[in-house]
Parts: sequence; C-alpha cells; structure tokens
Amino acid sequence: KAGVTQTPRYLIKTRGQQVTLSCSPISGHRSVSWYQQTPGQGLQFLFEYFSETQRNKGNFPGRFSGRQFSNSRSEMNVSTLELGDSALYLCASSLDGKGNSPLHFGNGTRLTVT
Amino acid sequence: GEDVEQSLFLSVREGDSSVINCTYTDSSSTYLYWYKQEPGAGLQLLTYIFSNMDMKQDQRLTVLLNKKDKHLSLRIADTQTGDSAIYFCAAQLYNFNKFYFGSGTKLNVKP
Repeated sequence: KAGVTQTPRYLIKTRGQQVTLSCSPISGHRSVSWYQQTPGQGLQFLFEYFSETQRNKGNFPGRFSGRQFSNSRSEMNVSTLELGDSALYLCASSLDGKGNSPLHFGNGTRLTVT
Repeated sequence: GEDVEQSLFLSVREGDSSVINCTYTDSSSTYLYWYKQEPGAGLQLLTYIFSNMDMKQDQRLTVLLNKKDKHLSLRIADTQTGDSAIYFCAAQLYNFNKFYFGSGTKLNVKP
C-alpha cells in the first residue's frame, strides 16, 4: 500500500507570493490533517479535513487555507507569503480520524520564503 | 487543551537501552503514540497504546503507561546508531481527530 505522498518536496518562493501544496492520502483514508513544523515552534496543527469538510482548525491566520477533494486528496494554500512561513509542511492521513486511527505522515514539503 | 511535554535530548551508547519520557495533562487522552522522525523525513508511527493498557511490547520497543501520573515512556532495547532520530510523543482524545504532540526528544546514539 502506498504511503502518504506530498508534492512538491521543496519550494522556494518570495515574500508576497502564494503557494499550493498537495497531499495524496493512503488509499481508503478519509481524514487528512496538515501540520507546520519549525525548529522554534515544533509541530503546529493547521487543519483537518474529513469527507471534503474542514472538521478542525488550528490557530493560524486566514492566509492559510485548505480543501479536500472527493477522492480524499487535499491541498493547502498559503497566500501573501511571509518570511516566517518558511517551514516543513507535513500532511497526515488517517482512516476516519477517530480513536485507534493513527496519523500516517508524508515526508513533507520544505517551503523556503525569501 | 492537552499539554504534552518531553525532555529535549538524550544521549546513549550503542547497545545500551534508551528510555524516552513523556508527560501529558488531560486524563481524557485515550490513545498515546510514539513517532520517529529522521532528518529530512516525515514522522513515522512506531507504536501506540490505549489508555486501559499498562504496557505494550513490540520487538525492541516497550511502551509503559502510568495513567495515574499521566506518564508515558518508550524504551528501546539494544539501541543502534540507526535509532538516532527525534522521537515525538502524541496524545489523542477519544473520538476526536485532534492530536497533541510533544516537542520531541532528540536521541543521539554514540558508537
């Protein structure tokens, strides 16, 4: 079974631009979550989607948005990029997002904002 | 919400046992997980334990849960240099897909 796939692996953008990151979950998984990982802040929860609906949201500004498609694939978008958005963005999928449904992570997209 | 804490660093010699500790605050946390992150990679699920269990063993990994003290530990037997990585503890409340992660413990294994 293929794991969680994130594309692209690396991105370099300049301040003010926008970016879209993509995530394909494990086949059969319906919940997709996004996390931002930085050395200073650790793992920060962005949002979680289940059946095309945002079910949980972290404490990030509205510049961070996401969506989920009917095949459970998900995208996240960051608009008006800031230097502080440089981070590793991790996508994780789980079966249904309930207990005993662990998160399975992709290898992440490394975003650098210059 | 939940607060999960871990010590930042642990250094051991190859062949020794490693014990990585984690504490959490919300007694409603029902599932507790251990993940491993190697450089340049995502988080790899190592093992997890349900809160009605005290211990779980999986090859070289042993998870101990003290629910009264809200303390979780991961023991790695016969630690190898390939075990050098960052280990994250995570807590999940039953029926919610909200995971609370610790800040990670960097394990350094010296040959």
